[in-house]
Amino acid sequence: QKEVEQDPGPLSVPEGAIVSLNCTYSNSAFQYFMWYRQYSRKGPELLMYTYSSGNKEDGRFTAQVDKSSKYISLFIRDSQPSDSATYLCAMSRPSGGYQKVTFGTGTKLQVIP
Amino acid sequence: DGGITQSPKYLFRKEGQNVTLSCEQNLNHDAMYWYRQDPGQGLRLIYYSQIVNDFQKGDIAEGYSVSREKKESFPLTVTSAQKNPTAFYLCASRADSQETQYFGPGTRLLVL
Repeated sequence: QKEVEQDPGPLSVPEGAIVSLNCTYSNSAFQYFMWYRQYSRKGPELLMYTYSSGNKEDGRFTAQVDKSSKYISLFIRDSQPSDSATYLCAMSRPSGGYQKVTFGTGTKLQVIP
Repeated sequence: DGGITQSPKYLFRKEGQNVTLSCEQNLNHDAMYWYRQDPGQGLRLIYYSQIVNDFQKGDIAEGYSVSREKKESFPLTVTSAQKNPTAFYLCASRADSQETQYFGPGTRLLVL
């Protein structure tokens, strides 16, 4: 079983829709949770970063962490064609003296105009 | 502008050849990382370095080597021992005071 599971999609939505992207994890040692956006053939770009359970909002993006269920989500409101990209969840935990980051496989999102 | 640069954007390797991927950052970050990205798989850690002149193997270090002679530079060599090198290679860095990593634009390595 992978430590981090993420539905690869693709997910196709109409412009203006609310998008929900999710990851589950199995290791309760994960402490920090991140979402990255990756456009095709580009490096990942950090979108959101959170430490505790609960919600964190930044513009159209909301990151949600439920540590009791080992489940994290990213919501995108009023989705735009420019949001079309692959979204990677990532989470880190202590490991051998450094913070080890484990990435999900990514969910490909397409927003249709 | 502060950031991470990787070069070249595309790299072609012949059988038996060693190639070196460049990664430079001017963010004054102490930690630097190399990842490999393959379709359908998450990013996999090759090597990381938390300070100058020190680096550690990640999950898939076989067939790769690195050096960290300067804080701002962390080159990755893909050796001939790496039998399946075709992938997208990403360099990242992190400040000591933060948990988040910032990525460069990547280098796509292809085998001729």
